[in-house]
This record gives sequence, structure tokens and C-alpha cells, in this order.
Amino acid sequence: EAGVTQSPTHLIKTRGQQVTLRCSPISGHTSVYWYQQALGLGLQFLLWYDEGEERNRGNFPPRFSGRQFPNYSSELNVNALELEDSALYLCASPQQGLDGYTFGSGTRLTVV
Amino acid sequence: DAKTTQPNSMESNEEEPVHLPCNHSTISGTDYIHWYRQLPSQGPEYVIHGLTSNVNNRMASLAIAEDRKSSTLILHRATLRDAAVYYCILTRGSSNTGKLIFGQGTTLQVKP
Repeated sequence: EAGVTQSPTHLIKTRGQQVTLRCSPISGHTSVYWYQQALGLGLQFLLWYDEGEERNRGNFPPRFSGRQFPNYSSELNVNALELEDSALYLCASPQQGLDGYTFGSGTRLTVV
Repeated sequence: DAKTTQPNSMESNEEEPVHLPCNHSTISGTDYIHWYRQLPSQGPEYVIHGLTSNVNNRMASLAIAEDRKSSTLILHRATLRDAAVYYCILTRGSSNTGKLIFGQGTTLQVKP
């Protein structure tokens, strides 16, 4: 099965701008999970989408939002970027036939 | 969510076995123990999981204490490619239907 794909791989934005990150889960899987990995802070859960609906949300401000499309791909939007938003943003999908999750390689966002 | 405790770092020599410990004294009866690892510049990778019995797969073995308050991930013959951050995570039920809570993990160094 194809893995989780994320785009773009790298991105540089200016403080105050908006950014959209994209994720395609494992084919046929309906759930997408978003995580943020900022330097020194470890992996933090951001959002969980399933069947087009937001199911759970981590402790992040409302300027972090997203959506899931009918084909189960997902977007993560971050408005009014701050320097602290610089991080690796990871997307995950449940594994086929196994308990566990497959992660994408992430999008490295740098806010300057 | 139950918490896990792992050593910050460990060292191993190539070709030797590695035992990575994890304490989870507040584990509940339905919590599964999952292990992920993250190689540099990549997303986390599922390694293994278990509930009560010891588990083996092509990547590693998982030894779970009889009281389930601790577990050990065993890499039978460490290679340089096993150098990574290893995360021990508890999930409610066999597949978490929400977020994974990552701690700081154990950074494994493998020396040639």
C-alpha cells in the first residue's frame, strides 16, 4: 500500500502570513492525524479528522485549523504565523491490518 | 492519559543487543503499549505493540512485565541504522481512536 504523503516538504513563510499544508492518508483510510514537532518540544497532537469531520483537537489556538476532503486527503491551515510555529508538521494514518499508525515524512515550516 | 517514563539517552555497540526500558506504573487494564522510533529528519515509524504477552516481529521484541507497569523494547542486533529516538506510548484499546501522546523518548546512539 502507498504510504502517507505530505506536501510541500519544506516551506519558508514570513510572520503574519498564512500557510496550507497537505496530507494524503493511506489509500482507503478515512482518518488523518496532524502533529506538530517543534524544536525542543517533542511531538504534539494537533487535529484528528475522520470521515470529513474534526473528531479531536489538541491544545492549539484557533488559528490552527484544517479540513478533510471527500477523498480523505486533508489540509492543515495556520493563520497569522508566529515565529514559534516553526516546526515539522507530521500527518499520520492508521496502518492497514495492524494496530498502529504510519506517519508521513512531514513538512518543515520555517517562519522568519 | 497514563504517562510513560524513559531514559533520555542510551548507547550501544553495533551488532550487540539493546534493551530500551519504559516505565508505565499508571497503566490501565485496557491500555496497549506501543513503540515508535524516529530517525533523523523523518516521521515516527511504528515498531511494535503489545498488551500482556511478549511480542516479536521482524524489527524487535517487546517484553512486558507481569504487572504491566514496565516494558522493554529489545533490538537483538543493533545496527547503525537503528540510531533514532525511541518512543514508548500507551494507547487506550488496541488502536487509539484519537491522539498519541509522545514523551521525550530515548535517543539511542549506536557506535561502530
